[in-house]
Amino acid sequence: QSALTQPASVSGSPGQSITISCTGTSSDVGGYNYVSWYQQHPGKAPKLMIYEVSNRPSGVPDRFSGSKSGNTASLTISGLQAEDEADYYCSSYTSSSTPLYVFGTGTKVTVL
Amino acid sequence: EVQLVESGGGLVKPGGSLRLSCAASGFTFSSYSMNWVRQAPGKGLEWVSSISSSSSYIYYADSVKGRFTISRDNAKNSLYLQMNSLRAEDTAVYYCAREVRTMIVDWGQGTLVTVSS
Repeated sequence: QSALTQPASVSGSPGQSITISCTGTSSDVGGYNYVSWYQQHPGKAPKLMIYEVSNRPSGVPDRFSGSKSGNTASLTISGLQAEDEADYYCSSYTSSSTPLYVFGTGTKVTVL
Repeated sequence: EVQLVESGGGLVKPGGSLRLSCAASGFTFSSYSMNWVRQAPGKGLEWVSSISSSSSYIYYADSVKGRFTISRDNAKNSLYLQMNSLRAEDTAVYYCAREVRTMIVDWGQGTLVTVSS
């Protein structure tokens, strides 16, 4: 099973909105509402930003939102801030036992 | 506060072995499935292995099946990954991660494994 497909990079100016796509198949993204998004700053561990497609954990700013249509999930960052510059990964539970989870290829977000 | 602290990484020669450990605290360890996820230098995240709360269900990525063994000791709040027959492509930061309702929620800080002669 291949990694989920994300754009390599997305950029925006402070205050703008950006959207990162995550495309999979009916065996992962399209088959379950178990899509998560992680933020990773250089040298740091990933941090959960969105779970079950569109839910935010406590402490995550509401400018982060998630959605899904068919086999593609999306993460939108509204009101982009300098501290949002990081790598972002999507992930989905899969119908297979191997892999149990599949991650996206990763997107580098640059705040101009 | 959930804390996951990995240890045991280091430099090992191809074909060698290494055992990673993860000490968990801040939650009822015995109630949760746990995972290992790795990240090669400059690359993306790759799920490696998962173990259910009572060790009844164990899963591996095809890339490590037959070489790696995941285990846990609920009495010690600890997760382990025994890695044998290591290859250069196993070089990565290995993260211990807690699973909640079929999603990976909490991550440790990671431990670096380097396979090189």
